[in-house]
Amino acid sequence: DQQVKQNSPSLSVQEGRISILNCDYTNSMFDYFLWYKKYPAEGPTFLISISSIKDKNEDGRFTVFLNKSAKHLSLHIVPSQPGDSAVYFCAATSAGGTSYGKLTFGQGTILTVHP
Amino acid sequence: NAGVTQTPKFQVLKTGQSMTLQCAQDMNHNSMYWYRQDPGMGLRLIYYSASEGTTDKGEVPNGYNVSRLNKREFSLRLESAAPSQTSVYFCASSRGDRDWYGYTFGSGTRLTVV
Repeated sequence: DQQVKQNSPSLSVQEGRISILNCDYTNSMFDYFLWYKKYPAEGPTFLISISSIKDKNEDGRFTVFLNKSAKHLSLHIVPSQPGDSAVYFCAATSAGGTSYGKLTFGQGTILTVHP
Repeated sequence: NAGVTQTPKFQVLKTGQSMTLQCAQDMNHNSMYWYRQDPGMGLRLIYYSASEGTTDKGEVPNGYNVSRLNKREFSLRLESAAPSQTSVYFCASSRGDRDWYGYTFGSGTRLTVV
C-alpha cells in the first residue's frame, strides 16, 4: 500500500515557466512533509519542507503548498531553470507514533527543463 | 565535509554470494537508515537505527541484516544475494530529534546480482 504517491512519472517544461510537481498521501497521521531532489549518480538532497500547521512555505524559487483536507501537496518552481532537471521525491512522516523519524517516500517525478 | 559516506559505489555479485555495504556519517547524528531505490517504486526503507544500540525493520527487510557498529557506522549485510536485490542502496542519517525530520543521504551503492 503506497502511502505517498506521485502519480506523474515525468514532467517536461520550458525554461522560465512554472513547474508544478504533485504528491498525494493516504496516511492521516502524516504531519510533516519534505521534498528531495536527486541528480543521477548522487544521493537525494533536501529541498524544502512544510509542517501540517502551515499551508504554504517558500524558499526562493521553490514553494510548497499543503492541502490537508485533500491530503495533497505540491511543489512549485518559478521560474524553472535547466539546472532544476532532476528527480523530485515527496516524503512524509509523523511527529509521533511508530512513524516518528521514518520518512515514507513517493515514487519520484522526473523533471526536465528545456532551454 | 564528508557527511554520509557509502562504500562500495558499485558491486556485482553472483546469486548466493554475501556482502556488506558500509555506511559512516560524521555529523554526530543519532539515527541512521538504509533505503533501496527501484524504478517506479521510489525509496523504500529496509532497516533503520533510531539510536546507537537499536535497530528495527522497515518496509522491505527480508534478505537483509544490519549492524549499528557505533554512533557513526551502520552496515547492511546481504547473506545470500538474489537477483531481486539488484537495486541502488542509499544510507541516510538524521538528528533524530523533534526539531528536524530531514535526512542527509550518501551517494549510493549500485548493486547488481546476476
